[in-house]
Amino acid sequence: GESVGLHLPTLSVQEGDNSIINCAYSNSASDYFIWYKQESGKGPQFIIDIRSNMDKRQGQRVTVLLNKTVKHLSLQIAATQPGDSAVYFCAELGGTSYGKLTFGQGTILTVHP
Amino acid sequence: GAGVSQSPSNKVTEKGKDVELRCDPISGHTALYWYRQSLGQGLEFLIYFQGNSAPDKSGLPSDRFSAERTGGSVSTLTIQRTQQEDSAVYLCASSQYALAGGTQYFGPGTRLTVL
Repeated sequence: GESVGLHLPTLSVQEGDNSIINCAYSNSASDYFIWYKQESGKGPQFIIDIRSNMDKRQGQRVTVLLNKTVKHLSLQIAATQPGDSAVYFCAELGGTSYGKLTFGQGTILTVHP
Repeated sequence: GAGVSQSPSNKVTEKGKDVELRCDPISGHTALYWYRQSLGQGLEFLIYFQGNSAPDKSGLPSDRFSAERTGGSVSTLTIQRTQQEDSAVYLCASSQYALAGGTQYFGPGTRLTVL
């Protein structure tokens, strides 16, 4: 079936480094993608989104890149801070699945001071 | 309110009992979603509401699960005759509208433990 998955389940970086979290998706009809951050004991928190008519979008310290040719999504976090430590999920919406987000399994990001 | 709220935050129940989980969406949001997150796993879609109707119930795992939404606001997820495999965090989200582009904002979840 269609799914959204992550290449790396864990990522460990030093404070100040840049982090890159990757995600592969298989539904070519997907037209909207979202990155969420989830801290322990909390619900997912929206970080940034991108539509399929774009290939890059920037926020505060975060950038999302979308490569539709290879169905790949990435989240870049600049100058990673200990407070960025969390599980990061990509999610996909679109095609005929309006209203239904399909989530990847998540990547655990650990930032060492 | 300022965000999505859910109650209770934790629920421990015995196998076979019924439970009700409540979600209060962000005021003005027409779409409401329920997801389930098992330990160390991603989120699994259960059901979503547009207003009071549920166009997509495809994610409900069995007929023991049901949900309703009244007045276009509060929603209740009911699990009848709970089983141990129902233990998970149940997350609710709301968005201004259901179509692609309506960012979903999540509540803190209800952690359900079935003994």
